[in-house]
Amino acid sequence: DTGVSQDPRHKITKRGQNVTFRCDPISEHNRLYWYRQTLGQGPEFLTYFQNEAQLEKSRLLSDRFSAERPKGSFSTLEIQRTEQGDSAMYLCASSLLTGDGYTFGSGTRLTVV
Amino acid sequence: GQQLNQSPQSMFIQEGEDVSMNCTSSSIFNTWLWYKQDPGEGPVLLIALYKAGELTSNGRLTAQFGITRKDSFLNISASIPSDVGIYFCAGLPNAGGTSYGKLTFGQGTILTVHP
Repeated sequence: DTGVSQDPRHKITKRGQNVTFRCDPISEHNRLYWYRQTLGQGPEFLTYFQNEAQLEKSRLLSDRFSAERPKGSFSTLEIQRTEQGDSAMYLCASSLLTGDGYTFGSGTRLTVV
Repeated sequence: GQQLNQSPQSMFIQEGEDVSMNCTSSSIFNTWLWYKQDPGEGPVLLIALYKAGELTSNGRLTAQFGITRKDSFLNISASIPSDVGIYFCAGLPNAGGTSYGKLTFGQGTILTVHP
């Protein structure tokens, strides 16, 4: 068990470009979550999946954001037409239905210039 | 979005001192979690609390789930330099020993420990 893996760790992109992040959860975890964290703040919930079904989306997730979890394994988070306000750390986490809390990945730091 | 009110925002202490931080909410949470985050990394779970009034320890860390279910406290005893980091409280609406679902986080407490 290597924990939750996120790729890439860092991404610098020009405003208007599309970016895609990947998350590989702990293999036996059926729930997968995406959070966004800006400097000086705690993580804020974006969306989560149970297996391949996307069960909830935050109002923070605008139309430019889309998340998928095909086959209930890894997940991708895509941001289209990036804006400077999208600059943040994007955290992925996974959990079982029961158990002691989530396991977070190390995050993807996005910088939009 | 909603966040929990965490205080203090930052603390500067000497090695060996004890530390206390707390988290309050206007809403009830049935599970409280405490995380530590190092720079450039994701949060790591320290302690999970599932019952109102529960007091749980993990080494030098002790956390309590408030009776009203609207607050929680974290204490660190005999601090050491590796305790440096940002500590976050988080609440879950789910009860019954489960800890999945949407977490609501506090703003964090930045801890600095001087040797």
